[in-house]
Amino acid sequence: KAGVTQTPRYLIKTRGQQVTLSCSPISGHRSVSWYQQTPGQGLQFLFEYFSETQRNKGNFPGRFSGRQFSNSRSEMNVSTLELGDSALYLCASSFRGDTEAFFGQGTRLTVV
Amino acid sequence: QKEVEQNSGPLSVPEGAIASLNCTYSDRVSQSFFWYRQYSGKSPELIMSIYSNGDKEDGRFTAQLNKASQYVSLLIRDSQPSDSATYLCAVNILAGGTSYGKLTFGQGTILTVHP
Repeated sequence: KAGVTQTPRYLIKTRGQQVTLSCSPISGHRSVSWYQQTPGQGLQFLFEYFSETQRNKGNFPGRFSGRQFSNSRSEMNVSTLELGDSALYLCASSFRGDTEAFFGQGTRLTVV
Repeated sequence: QKEVEQNSGPLSVPEGAIASLNCTYSDRVSQSFFWYRQYSGKSPELIMSIYSNGDKEDGRFTAQLNKASQYVSLLIRDSQPSDSATYLCAVNILAGGTSYGKLTFGQGTILTVHP
């Protein structure tokens, strides 16, 4: 069974640009959650999607947004990038959102 | 008080010893608890889940949950150098709104197993 796939793995962007990250969940999983991981703040929850609906949202500015498609694949978008957005972005999929969650390899975003 | 707190590290144990990792959480009604292992430069890997009070064993790993004390722990028996990693405790916090898909993580405990 294929795991969670995130693309791209690495990304370098300039301040002010926007970026889109993609996540394909494990087959059959309908819940996709996104997290930001930094050395100083650890793992922080961004948002969760289930059946194309955002059910939960963390404390991040509106520059961070996401969506989910009918095949459960999800994308997150960050607009007007800031240096502080440099982080490892992780997505996790689970069957229904309150069960075991499995992480993808992550996308390492560097903003210069 | 942080919602999920782990015992401060780093933790160093000799090969073959038992490593004990601890975690406390603030929400009395939380129902789902997880331990993840994260190697440097890699993403978190789920190693244990536990939902009810008591012990759950899987190979060399044992998770222990005490909801009354709001405490969850992970024991690693016969520790190996390959167990050296950061261990993250994660809780599905219910208080304060919907918990769907939201895991709240502790800050992690760095474990080093030396030969």
